[in-house]
Amino acid sequence: TQLLEQSPQFLSIQEGENLTVYCNSSSVFSSLQWYRQEPGEGPVLLVTVVTGGEVKKLKRLTFQFGDARKDSSLHITAAQPGDTGLYLCAGGRGGGGADGLTFGKGTHLIIQP
Amino acid sequence: GAGVSQSPRYKVAKRGQDVALRCDPISGHVSLFWYQQALGQGPEFLTYFQNEAQLDKSGLPSDRFFAERPEGSVSTLKIQRTQQEDSAVYLCASSGSRRTGRNGELFFGEGSRLTVL
Repeated sequence: TQLLEQSPQFLSIQEGENLTVYCNSSSVFSSLQWYRQEPGEGPVLLVTVVTGGEVKKLKRLTFQFGDARKDSSLHITAAQPGDTGLYLCAGGRGGGGADGLTFGKGTHLIIQP
Repeated sequence: GAGVSQSPRYKVAKRGQDVALRCDPISGHVSLFWYQQALGQGPEFLTYFQNEAQLDKSGLPSDRFFAERPEGSVSTLKIQRTQQEDSAVYLCASSGSRRTGRNGELFFGEGSRLTVL
């Protein structure tokens, strides 16, 4: 079973601060996605990374895929209350046959005004 | 519709009752997934369809869980003789890609919250 460990599990910071959350695994993934989920909603895709060492930026969010494609990080600059939510990383199982995503347990992020 | 639609949004069942949860994916999407999300946790994979074929049901927790997608569009997740540990949000997602997880995006519904008393 491919497991994704996310840390920290919970994070509460003040508006304007920077933060980094991590997604780690002992397995190699063909790709890795980050989703954001708000209460009562389904997860919404933020980014997909597929190449080891890849860095993608989405406004104040910076995503990095580890060189060995086993880990990823999400860095948020100048966090805002609207960034509050559950951040999920999900690894592509890849290979032949049925595909699907393996999700981590998520990081619960609260940005206090 | 424009997105993935799930019904009912909320379901309360007495222990031992059967329940059926419906998912209406984005029109034309080939792949359909069911996930179970416990409170405060990430989604856990249950089963996967490519068109009408159920290609992977390895995540279904017991033989009380059954999913179907007979015409390759709408899917139903059925739980027989519900137990308290079945209480969770059941998320449906669809994708236009046969190789979701590589470059494809999963589009999730809002989920069906099941509470078993």
